[in-house]
Amino acid sequence: QVQLVQSGAEMKGPGSSVKVSCKASGDSFSNFAISWVRQAPGQGLQWMGGFIPRFGTATYAQTFEDRLTISADASTATTFLELSSLRSEDTAVYFCARAQNQVVNGEQFFFSYMDIWGKGTTVTVS
Amino acid sequence: QSVLTQPPSVSGAPGQRITISCTGSSSNIGAGYDVHWYQQLPGTAPKVLIYSNTNRPSGVPDRFSGSKSGTSASLTITGLQAEDEADYYCQSYDSSLGSSYVFGTGTKVTVL
Repeated sequence: QVQLVQSGAEMKGPGSSVKVSCKASGDSFSNFAISWVRQAPGQGLQWMGGFIPRFGTATYAQTFEDRLTISADASTATTFLELSSLRSEDTAVYFCARAQNQVVNGEQFFFSYMDIWGKGTTVTVS
Repeated sequence: QSVLTQPPSVSGAPGQRITISCTGSSSNIGAGYDVHWYQQLPGTAPKVLIYSNTNRPSGVPDRFSGSKSGTSASLTITGLQAEDEADYYCQSYDSSLGSSYVFGTGTKVTVL
C-alpha cells in the first residue's frame, strides 16, 4: 500500500520561499503521478500542480505557474513543492496525493483523481 | 474562485437521504469530464468517496453514490450516519483555465 510522508510545518516571512517534501513508499515511484493540493484556513481545496515521475515532467495550475516549482528525486522517491514570493495568502495546509491516470474518450488525464493523500504540511507566512 | 458550485451546507437526521449538488459548465462537467467526490473529516486529509462519476473505491460504504447529468453532478448519502458529518468536495477538469483540475466550493454536511 502506497504511503506518502510529508515534511514538517514551516514558518516563513513574506517574499521568501518554502520547499515541502513528500516521500513515497510501498510502490515503484515511476508507477504513479503526484498532485499537490492546498487548503487555506477555513477554505476549500485548490489544485496547484503535479509531477509525473515516469516522464520527469511537472504541470502547473495557471494561478501558480510563475512562482511554483515541482520536482522529484527518484533515488529517494520524493517529490518537492517549492513556492516562491510568499505572501500571507499562501498560509495553508499543503497536501501531496497520489493521482490516478485515466484515458477518457482518447484523452489522457495524468492527475484525474487523488486516491492516497499525505497528512499535510502547514505553511505559515507571517 | 472555483468553477464548480456546491451548496455551502446540507443537513439531515440520521437515516435520512441527502444529496449534494455540484454545478459546473460547458468547459468542465458539461464537456464530459469525469467528476470525483471527496470527504474531509475535521483536521484530516481528504478521502476519495466516488471516482469517475459513479464508482466507489474499495472500502467505501454503498450508502454513498454518485451521478452526473449535463453540467451537474450529485453525491447522495442514503441512510445518513453520525460519522458522515464532514466536508464534501467535487472535483473535475476544466479546459478553460489553461487545462486545470478544479475542486468544488465544498459542502458541510451536518447530521442533526
